[in-house]
Amino acid sequence: GESVGLHLPTLSVQEGDNSIINCAYSNSASDYFIWYKQESGKGPQFIIDIRSNMDKRQGQRVTVLLNKTVKHLSLQIAATQPGDSAVYFCAETPNDYKLSFGAGTTVTVRA
Amino acid sequence: DTEVTQTPKHLVMGMTNKKSLKCEQHMGHRAMYWYKQKAKKPPELMFVYSYEKLSINESVPSRFSPECPNSSLLNLHLHALQPEDSALYLCASSPDGETDTQYFGPGTRLTVL
Repeated sequence: GESVGLHLPTLSVQEGDNSIINCAYSNSASDYFIWYKQESGKGPQFIIDIRSNMDKRQGQRVTVLLNKTVKHLSLQIAATQPGDSAVYFCAETPNDYKLSFGAGTTVTVRA
Repeated sequence: DTEVTQTPKHLVMGMTNKKSLKCEQHMGHRAMYWYKQKAKKPPELMFVYSYEKLSINESVPSRFSPECPNSSLLNLHLHALQPEDSALYLCASSPDGETDTQYFGPGTRLTVL
């Protein structure tokens, strides 16, 4: 599968491979984290979330990992499909009501 | 109903026009948000309403005026905008506000001529 150790703005992945998207967050006080997927011309769509008392959470074909020691969040997508092509944003919640978004990673799936 | 709807989908306006963006949710959420998103950038928070009261204004210029008529509706009134205000305007809602997931609408693509 394809993975990036540091945040990169783009990720190209072969259809069927696994993808790993990384995100570094900034605020040690953040206790809730969300991954969003945004397709072209649409609003961000909730994918999966995780609270700071967990280090891993799995959904359908997606897994989120949280490493609080190094303030790092990752999203793993299993068996990447063409419909997974989108911009992926991580978000943290340093304060009530506020989401602080990462810069985003554009994922392109190659057929 | 588990979605946030926004109208219009697209809007083109001149700098002297007055227009409004509308947002609606029927999930019983008590917090609603306006975001601005420029191309290839993450959303930027503009306003937060909690229980129909404005709780956060992120130093947004007064040419943007939010309104929350009831717990399901959120408007953004626009007047005397500048071309640099062209962007995707996103509405979101969450059950409350305390570290809740925010659910986004599809956005209104605004172009200011």
